[in-house]
Amino acid sequence: DTEVTQTPKHLVMGMTNKKSLKCEQHMGHRAMYWYKQKAKKPPELMFVYSYEKLSINESVPSRFSPECPNSSLLNLHLHALQPEDSALYLCASSQWAGLHEQFFGPGTRLTVL
Amino acid sequence: KQEVTQIPAALSVPEGENLVLNCSFTDSAIYNLQWFRQDHGKGLTSLLLIQSSQREQTSGRLNASLDKSSGRSTLYIAASQPGDSATYLCAGPGGTSYGKLTFGQGTILTVHP
Repeated sequence: DTEVTQTPKHLVMGMTNKKSLKCEQHMGHRAMYWYKQKAKKPPELMFVYSYEKLSINESVPSRFSPECPNSSLLNLHLHALQPEDSALYLCASSQWAGLHEQFFGPGTRLTVL
Repeated sequence: KQEVTQIPAALSVPEGENLVLNCSFTDSAIYNLQWFRQDHGKGLTSLLLIQSSQREQTSGRLNASLDKSSGRSTLYIAASQPGDSATYLCAGPGGTSYGKLTFGQGTILTVHP
């Protein structure tokens, strides 16, 4: 099974709201990733977790807060977002960070009003 | 810093044609390269991962090659079908950040009946 699941599929939030995106994989992968994708652009890396520890933060604003409670689960907590943060948020996982194939989830379409 | 370029940006072909998508990268120290497919508004589907020790990888009607010396990879699609219509993205390791993928801008493929 090479499935990464993400919830919710769609999310609409106001600039003062707090919400969370959830990502799950049961492939035994030890690296998990958050990407942001704007329309007609390729995905851009936000965060990498390796063995449940944050290993890469691509200078992402603090209004995005990642969390990796266990090896199967990855969350992205959102607070005080801006309309320009509206995008498709993609989660991915791989066996380990770096050498291995990354598998992506279907994404969460986020709209910030 | 790794830069990845894809040519052409868009391609429209009749059903049944064989076609080639091109990907070039600037850092020849690349240790693998991954090809993805993305349907409109959806997540990424991994098609093929080529390790630096390999020259080719095949999956069904897809064949991907990697030439590190020239900084190029190609994705060959045989006997194209309307269901192949999607955006195709190539991605390579993003420099010193282990686990980071740097994506090309993608090739939008349309296969018409």
